Amino acid sequence: EVQLVESGGGMVQPGGSLRLSCVASGFTFSRYPMSWVRQAPGKGLEWVSSISGDDGGTYYADSVKGRFTVSRDSSKNTLYLQMSSLRVQDTALYYCAKNLGLQWGLPELDYWGQGTLVTVSS
Amino acid sequence: DIQMTQSPSSLAASIGDRVTIICRASQSIDTYLNWYQHKPGKAPKLLIFATSALQSGVPSRFSGGGSETEFTLTISSLQPEDFAIYYCQQSYSSPFTFGQGTKVEIK
Repeated sequence: EVQLVESGGGMVQPGGSLRLSCVASGFTFSRYPMSWVRQAPGKGLEWVSSISGDDGGTYYADSVKGRFTVSRDSSKNTLYLQMSSLRVQDTALYYCAKNLGLQWGLPELDYWGQGTLVTVSS
Repeated sequence: DIQMTQSPSSLAASIGDRVTIICRASQSIDTYLNWYQHKPGKAPKLLIFATSALQSGVPSRFSGGGSETEFTLTISSLQPEDFAIYYCQQSYSSPFTFGQGTKVEIK
C-alpha cells in the first residue's frame, strides 16, 4: 500500500525558514517523480514544485522560485521542501504527491499525503 | 503561464443528476489535463488523467473529454459520495496550474 506521510510544518515568523519532509512507502520511491502542492486557508490547490526520480530535475512555481528548494533522499525514501524567506501568503496545508507514471515533467498525481500545515505569522 | 478556468465555480444538484464541469486553458495543452476530487479533511484524489483516462478504482460514472483548450468532467448519475470540490490541472508545461475549483453541493 502506498503511503505518504508529511511532517515539519508549524508556525514561523515572516522571513523564517522551515523544512518539510515526506516519507514514502509502498512503492519504489527512487523511480517516481514527486511533487508538492499546497492549499491556503479557504483557497484552492496550488502546485508548488516537482522533482524527477533520477537526475533530480526540478520545477517551481513562480511564487516560490528562489525561496523554496525541493530535494529527495532515496536512501531514506524521503522528499523534502526547504522553505526560506517565508511570507504570510505561504501559509497553507502542504501536500506531497506521487506521480502516476515514471515520466518526468508529467505530474499526474495519483497518491497524496494528508498534508502538513505551515503558518507564517508575526 | 497557462491559466486554467473552471465553470461553474459551484453548482447544486440532486442525487441521480448528470453533472458537467468545464475547464478552459488559456492556450492549447493538447490532452494533458487531469481531474481531481477533494473532500474536506481528505487528500485529493486523482479521478481522470490525460483528459479521458479513468484512474484505477474510480467509478465509471465519471468521464472526461475535450482537447486543446476546452475540457469537461461529467458525472453521469450523481451519488451522495460525489459531493466535493473538483479541480482540473494541466500537466502540459510548468508551472502545472490548477483551476480554481468547482464545488458540487446537494440541492
